Formats: sequence, structure tokens, C-alpha cells
Amino acid sequence: AQSVTQLDSQVPVFEEAPVELRCNYSSSVSVYLFWYVQYPNQGLQLLLKYLSGSTLVKGINGFEAEFNKSQTSFHLRKPSVHISDTAEYFCAVSDNSGYSTLTFGKGTMLLVSP
Amino acid sequence: GAVVSQHPSRVICKSGTSVKIECRSLDFQATTMFWYRQFPKQSLMLMATSNEGSKATYEQGVEKDKFLINHASLTLSTLTVTSAHPEDSSFYICSPRWDGGETQYFGPGTRLLVL
Repeated sequence: AQSVTQLDSQVPVFEEAPVELRCNYSSSVSVYLFWYVQYPNQGLQLLLKYLSGSTLVKGINGFEAEFNKSQTSFHLRKPSVHISDTAEYFCAVSDNSGYSTLTFGKGTMLLVSP
Repeated sequence: GAVVSQHPSRVICKSGTSVKIECRSLDFQATTMFWYRQFPKQSLMLMATSNEGSKATYEQGVEKDKFLINHASLTLSTLTVTSAHPEDSSFYICSPRWDGGETQYFGPGTRLLVL
């Protein structure tokens, strides 16, 4: 079984500032890692994913994340945020069988203000 | 990414009525369908997993007779909330996945309000 911890429930930041949303996971097997974004009253949209290979993963909307196996982390970063990035961000993990379900973190609300 | 639709997007019903939510995967065959519910300011909670043509597997604490799931085709799954009560008010989200696929995509969600 896997688990995901998102350490920050809310991250306030000013527009054009950099941001990092933290995600740590635990698993006894190799994993796939995902970040999803949810805008109000909408479903989840895939931002990026790590399956294998390069540990630095680039996603949509200028986001990137780095897989760190030794620290069991998959932090999400953006060098300069926009007001439109205000949303809930979920980190998720599954085992790498391709048949397991996602385990989600509790989410981090990114609040971007002018 | 994959295209997933849900209908209706929002529904208000009286207590005791049943509500059917449809989920369609528009550009791939969903061999597996996950149904989640999400309460305000909380994460997604997996309700059940269904494979096309098979009975759904429900998570602990989810009443299978209350939340009926049908996954009769590779592009359509339905969730019926039977005899809905106010505590069933929530945001329901479907998530299809194709066989062996590592990525789950999500529908836009259905907001259910039971009065």
C-alpha cells in the first residue's frame, strides 16, 4: 500500500513569485507519481507525471516536479505564478503495475494574490 | 489528455429520489472505471472500482445497494444514487483508465445536492 503526505494545506504567494508545493510518499514497491490540479467545481486535470527515466518532469502551465527517491519526495515547482494558478493541487501515487488505483494526498490550496 | 464527460454537471433532488450520473470516455476505451466522491475542501475518496462487464468492487464503508454502478460498455459507466438523502450531497467524479494504462483521467464532476 502507498500513502501520500502533502505537508501544506494552503500556500499563499504573490503573483510572479516562485512556488513549491511539497509532496512526500511512502511505498514498499516502485511507484508512479502524479500531480493533478483542480479548479473550483471542476474535475481533476493532469499536470504532470513521473513513470520512469529523468527525475525532472515538466508539465503543463509551466509546472515541473522532481522525483527524489532517497527522500521519497515529488515536489511541484513553478518559477513564476499567475493569478490563474489559484487552485487545489493534489499529489497522487500508484504502484507501477499499471493496474493499481491512485492514492491521493489531502491537497494543497495555492492562493495567488496580486 | 483524454476526454471524459459527465452528465449532469449539477443536480438538485428531493430526499428519497434516485439520481443517475453518466460518465463517458470519449476518445479511449475504459476497461476500468473509478468512482470518487469529494466533500468540500477534502481530497477524493474512492467509492468503487468497476471493470467493463463485471460487478463493481466497493471500498469499505460504501453501500453497494445505495450506490449502483453499471459499466456495461467500454465508453459508458453510470452511478445511481438510490433513495438519496442530504448526507449524500457531494461532488462525484468518475475516472476511466484503459487496460494497463498508468494514468487515470477524470471527468468534470457532478455536484449533487439533496434537499
